[in-house]
Amino acid sequence: DQQVKQNSPSLSVQEGRISILNCDYTNSMFDYFLWYKKYPAEGPTFLISISSIKDKNEDGRFTVFLNKSAKHLSLHIVPSQPGDSAVYFCAASEVGTNAGKSTFGDGTTLTVKP
Amino acid sequence: EPEVTQTPSHQVTQMGQEVILRCVPISNHLYFYWYRQILGQKVEFLVSFYNNEISEKSEIFDDQFSVERPDGSNFTLKIRSTKLEDSAMYFCATLRGAGTGVGEQYFGPGTRLTVT
Repeated sequence: DQQVKQNSPSLSVQEGRISILNCDYTNSMFDYFLWYKKYPAEGPTFLISISSIKDKNEDGRFTVFLNKSAKHLSLHIVPSQPGDSAVYFCAASEVGTNAGKSTFGDGTTLTVKP
Repeated sequence: EPEVTQTPSHQVTQMGQEVILRCVPISNHLYFYWYRQILGQKVEFLVSFYNNEISEKSEIFDDQFSVERPDGSNFTLKIRSTKLEDSAMYFCATLRGAGTGVGEQYFGPGTRLTVT
């Protein structure tokens, strides 16, 4: 049972344009969502998060949107830069007894072309 | 900037052998995790550890796995009798935590375990 899904395994975008990465979840107990970036041979690096009480969180070039009714979140990167090329993981966690355990999606490989 | 470190970076072992993977968490973090990523697959939660005990474990974390924080600093994952399918990248993660532990996790660079 895939509780967190990233249906696009890859995305290619021109430098300067917007990158939109999508994520869907099925577990209604999830109430905290995170995006991680991962380069080869490195661990995931936290990028941005959003609590279920919000529908948008912005940090510089990165904005995460949450649509709870659709159980969908997206990460927008504007403008995209070649250094953003990496695998992006969506993750979700439940507040409370699970103490921040994260369930990850499969990842989307973003390629930003100069 | 503080970071999570892991040793070794690469461990090769024969099937049936025991391995210990080590992690040094960020000093003021309270929650510790192990995840693994089999090549080409998603990052999977193994176990979370808080206040010197396991707070949650996945179905992957069976009796061959154990975790401990023997000296108050290192956080270790032991695999008692390795199998071929244990070959993966193992990531340690830590979280500062506040009450319920919500927040972003800081991941180490990983240990690549190869079981032959």
